[in-house]
Amino acid sequence: QVQLVQSGAEVKKPGASVKVSCKVSGDTLPDLSMHWARQAPVTGLEWMGSFDPEDASVVYAQKFQGRVTMTEDSSTATAYLELRSLRSEDTAVYFCATPGRTGELDNWGQGTLITVSS
Amino acid sequence: DIQMTQSPSSLSASVGDRVTITCRASQSISRYLSWYQQKPGKAPKLLVFAASSLHTAVPSRFSGSGAGTDFTLTISSLQPEDFATYFCQQSYITPYSFGQGTKVDIK
Repeated sequence: QVQLVQSGAEVKKPGASVKVSCKVSGDTLPDLSMHWARQAPVTGLEWMGSFDPEDASVVYAQKFQGRVTMTEDSSTATAYLELRSLRSEDTAVYFCATPGRTGELDNWGQGTLITVSS
Repeated sequence: DIQMTQSPSSLSASVGDRVTITCRASQSISRYLSWYQQKPGKAPKLLVFAASSLHTAVPSRFSGSGAGTDFTLTISSLQPEDFATYFCQQSYITPYSFGQGTKVDIK
C-alpha cells in the first residue's frame, strides 16, 4: 500500500514562494505519477497538475501556469510542488495524490496548510 | 475545461436512509468519473472509480452509476460513519475537475 507523507504547515507573505514535499513509501517513486490538488473554502477542490515520470512530462492547470513547478527526486522518493508569487487567494490545504488506471486518485497525502498573510 | 456540477449541495438524512447524490458534467466524459468521501480535517478517500467500480474495502452499501454526462452515487442504508462531504471528479481530460461537494449531515 502506497503511503504519502507531506511536509508541515507554513505561513508565507504575499509575493513569496513555497515548496511542499510529498514522501512516498510502499512503492517506487519513479513508477508513480503524482498529482497535486488544493482545497480552499471558497474555491473547493482544484486540480493543479501532474508529473509523469515515464517521460518526465508535466501538465499544469492553466490557472497556475507560470507560477507552479512539480518535480520529483527519486533518490529520496519525494515529490515536490513549488508555487511562486503567492497571494492571499493561495491560502489552502495542498494535497499530493497518486492516480489509478483511469485517473482516479487512489492514495492521498494528509494535506499541507499554506497560509498567505502579510 | 469541463465543469462538474453536483446536487444537492447539502442534505440531511437519518441512519438507515437511502441517499442519492448526482453529478453532471458539462460535456461527455464517458465513464471517467470518481467519487470521494471527505471528513473534516482529512484528505478525500476514493469510494468509486470508472463510474461504478468500488475501490478496495469500500462497503457494498455504496454504489455508482451513469455514463456520458450524468452520474449518481447511492448509499443504500446510511450509517453513522457516512456523515461526511462527497465529491465527484472527472479524469477524462486535463485539467481534471471536481464537483463542489455534497455535505451529508444528520437530520
